[in-house]
Amino acid sequence: AQSVTQLDSQVPVFEEAPVELRCNYSSSVSVYLFWYVQYPNQGLQLLLKYLSGSTLVKGINGFEAEFNKSQTSFHLRKPSVHISDTAEYFCAVRRKTSYDKVIFGPGTSLSVIP
Amino acid sequence: NAGVTQTPKFRVLKTGQSMTLLCAQDMNHEYMYWYRQDPGMGLRLIHYSVGEGTTAKGEVPDGYNVSRLKKQNFLLGLESAAPSQTSVYFCASSYSGLAGAETQYFGPGTRLLVL
Repeated sequence: AQSVTQLDSQVPVFEEAPVELRCNYSSSVSVYLFWYVQYPNQGLQLLLKYLSGSTLVKGINGFEAEFNKSQTSFHLRKPSVHISDTAEYFCAVRRKTSYDKVIFGPGTSLSVIP
Repeated sequence: NAGVTQTPKFRVLKTGQSMTLLCAQDMNHEYMYWYRQDPGMGLRLIHYSVGEGTTAKGEVPDGYNVSRLKKQNFLLGLESAAPSQTSVYFCASSYSGLAGAETQYFGPGTRLLVL
């Protein structure tokens, strides 16, 4: 079975500073990887996803993530955050082998401090 | 194009009462999902559907039932609400394209409090 770990439940960062949100997963088979963002009082929306190919994936709003198979990680980064990036971020994984459910991590709350 | 909508937005129930949450999507998606979101636990899949007339259990199906009579609608029912079902419920939908790789589109959520 797959599982997703997001070690940091809360990450405060000053505006215009860089940020990295960590995600590690475990799976015995190949997986697709996703990052979703949830703004206050809204549903989730996709930031980016890794399917195959280049391990560096660029998403919306200046975010990017790097897939590291040996470390089973998919960390999310942004070089300079804005107040509007304050939100909850969820890493998720899904097996490639067949239709299967998406497993979400517990989430990381990013707070951008002006 | 409204995307995924959920009705109602908020609801307060007493223990033992029943209710139905409605999810509607206008994107002609095959797959639809119901999740619950609880603090520190991320989203957990309750039930899902891969097409009209079909449903399947997710991670936490106990206490819930679902129906997909029409492709655009996915209903979540609580027959006898319990305080443990206090949560935020999200509906999502996705294409049936590249299996596993499709993006899920989420509704705005329903906040349920069971007293």
